[in-house]
Amino acid sequence: GENVEQHPSTLSVQEGDSAVIKCTYSDSASNYFPWYKQELGKGPQLIIDIRSNVGEKKDQRIAVTLNKTAKHFSLHITETQPEDSAVYFCAATLNTGFQKLVFGTGTRLLVSP
Amino acid sequence: GAGVSQSPSNKVTEKGKDVELRCDPISGHTALYWYRQSLGQGLEFLIYFQGNSAPDKSGLPSDRFSAERTGGSVSTLTIQRTQQEDSAVYLCASSLRQERETQYFGPGTRLLVL
Repeated sequence: GENVEQHPSTLSVQEGDSAVIKCTYSDSASNYFPWYKQELGKGPQLIIDIRSNVGEKKDQRIAVTLNKTAKHFSLHITETQPEDSAVYFCAATLNTGFQKLVFGTGTRLLVSP
Repeated sequence: GAGVSQSPSNKVTEKGKDVELRCDPISGHTALYWYRQSLGQGLEFLIYFQGNSAPDKSGLPSDRFSAERTGGSVSTLTIQRTQQEDSAVYLCASSLRQERETQYFGPGTRLLVL
């Protein structure tokens, strides 16, 4: 089955800096990779996703890159703000049939003013 | 519109007692998922419902765990004879059949077994 590893487990940056979170997956058949943001006491919220037919996707300050050959994908947040502080989870799944997301263990991002 | 709702938000129980956790998916979403999130860990898949099809129970950790979905909408996750290791946040998510990969999560139920 699929296995997703995520690094780092914690990340501290200064406001305005960039933050990068990296994930690797094991199943080469996986073709859908979402990223979720979870704030304290809340459920995960989808912030961006990418499918295997593209290598990069951007949405304002957030971007995701995918390297299918190396089986890794990354979340990039530019111009970080204190409200970006949260736990971020990557996930992977096959985009057919049952969508059982396999999650990474999460990255706690702290953006200091 | 309304998102996924879960109740109760918090539940404290004694070891050996049964608990029921409820999930109300987004209206019109035919797929429903339950996940478990232990402290400091990622999300662990438990069970998946899609319409009237038989549920995928492959993630349930033991036969003490069961779930049902009535009328294709509300779902209840039941844990019998709770153990301390069952303490976790139980998250429910739903999705549209035609956009089934986009899962929308509820706020979760925080279960503490004493």
